[in-house]
Amino acid sequence: GAVVSQHPSRVICKSGTSVKIECRSLDFQATTMFWYRQFPKQSLMLMATSNEGSKATYEQGVEKDKFLINHASLTLSTLTVTSAHPEDSSFYICSAIQGWVTEAFFGQGTRLTVV
Amino acid sequence: AQTVTQSQPEMSVQEAETVTLSCTYDTSESNYYLFWYKQPPSRQMILVIRQEAYKQQNATENRFSVNFQKAAKSFSLKISDSQLGDTAMYFCAFMVGGKIIFGKGTRLHILP
Repeated sequence: GAVVSQHPSRVICKSGTSVKIECRSLDFQATTMFWYRQFPKQSLMLMATSNEGSKATYEQGVEKDKFLINHASLTLSTLTVTSAHPEDSSFYICSAIQGWVTEAFFGQGTRLTVV
Repeated sequence: AQTVTQSQPEMSVQEAETVTLSCTYDTSESNYYLFWYKQPPSRQMILVIRQEAYKQQNATENRFSVNFQKAAKSFSLKISDSQLGDTAMYFCAFMVGGKIIFGKGTRLHILP
């Protein structure tokens, strides 16, 4: 199957700083990428959907100014957590699909800890 | 609202037994795709099986098969001859309108 690489796998940052997470499709062009947040022992909560070259569509309750998503190319999407606070600590997962492929491929996830 | 419901938070079965995980969903769309994903302790999401809603035939992948009842909006996963490596969190999901919506998951323990 297609490969999606997410980086970093773990990051610790200080409260008030920003942190960027990258999601790359390595062997296909991702027309759409998704960002999820997963709390311990819980399901994946969809945060936003991004299409290449367009603004991301955020789910209700997700602060677009805190979670900045950029999908500048067909192989890269980034999630920037701005002015991070301890409550932003979580596991973040990206996934990507091609336009004609009805299957999502997932990155390895990023564990963010804000101290 | 589009939702996915997994009514079994946790299950345990003996190795080599057969286990069925249940899933129901709600959507007003007629075209969609259904999935079962596995999330082992590594937390990497792994696709187990996929079903197109327009296909009546149930999908199968080796030891994994589904029972898809479109009218009832039910999509259960059967794991035959369960193995220790099947221990994981299993998520039912469907893709519609360019989004993938996940259920809350079922934690499956395969006991030796």
